[in-house]
Amino acid sequence: AQSVTQLGSHVSVSEGALVLLRCNYSSSVPPYLFWYVQYPNQGLQLLLKYTSAATLVKGINGFEAEFKKSETSFHLTKPSAHMSDAAEYFCAVTASGGATNKLIFGTGTLLAVQP
Amino acid sequence: EPEVTQTPSHQVTQMGQEVILRCVPISNHLYFYWYRQILGQKVEFLVSFYNNEISEKSEIFDDQFSVERPDGSNFTLKIRSTKLEDSAMYFCASSTTQKATEAFFGQGTRLTVV
Repeated sequence: AQSVTQLGSHVSVSEGALVLLRCNYSSSVPPYLFWYVQYPNQGLQLLLKYTSAATLVKGINGFEAEFKKSETSFHLTKPSAHMSDAAEYFCAVTASGGATNKLIFGTGTLLAVQP
Repeated sequence: EPEVTQTPSHQVTQMGQEVILRCVPISNHLYFYWYRQILGQKVEFLVSFYNNEISEKSEIFDDQFSVERPDGSNFTLKIRSTKLEDSAMYFCASSTTQKATEAFFGQGTRLTVV
């Protein structure tokens, strides 16, 4: 069975500050891990994904995430927040060798960026 | 850029009525999915579909739900007799292969059951 836990349902940062959104996963098989972003009234957009290649993954809009097997973590970071980063962020996992690639999502973290 | 499109964007229906949510996946994709997000909760997998068959479904996907690819382009989710607790945002997604590492999501249909 697989699951993800996102610590912090709401995170607020100042514009220009570091963004750190936490995600821990549980998986009995090697996982694929994803971060999706949902802007208000829009669908889910893929930010980045880990698929067992490089452990540091770079995505769109300056975001990156590092897969740490020893910590079962896949935290999302961005060095300098921008107002346009305000959105809800979802971490998700799927089994790399699974029969389907259904995604198991975390509960989401709502990022607010203060001017 | 190809995208998954969903219609309508918002549907209001009375309890007990049937609703059909429509999705047009990306044209060369073969695997299709429905997810839902109840307000304030996480996105949950409902069903995956391939080669005109359900390949996997969750516990949520009971007999009230059905999926269909009626004409080779549309992918629909039908709820036969809606309940208040079916109110949610429903997302369609598609991917090229079963092992594809990226599913593309539509913008969602907000279903409100009154």
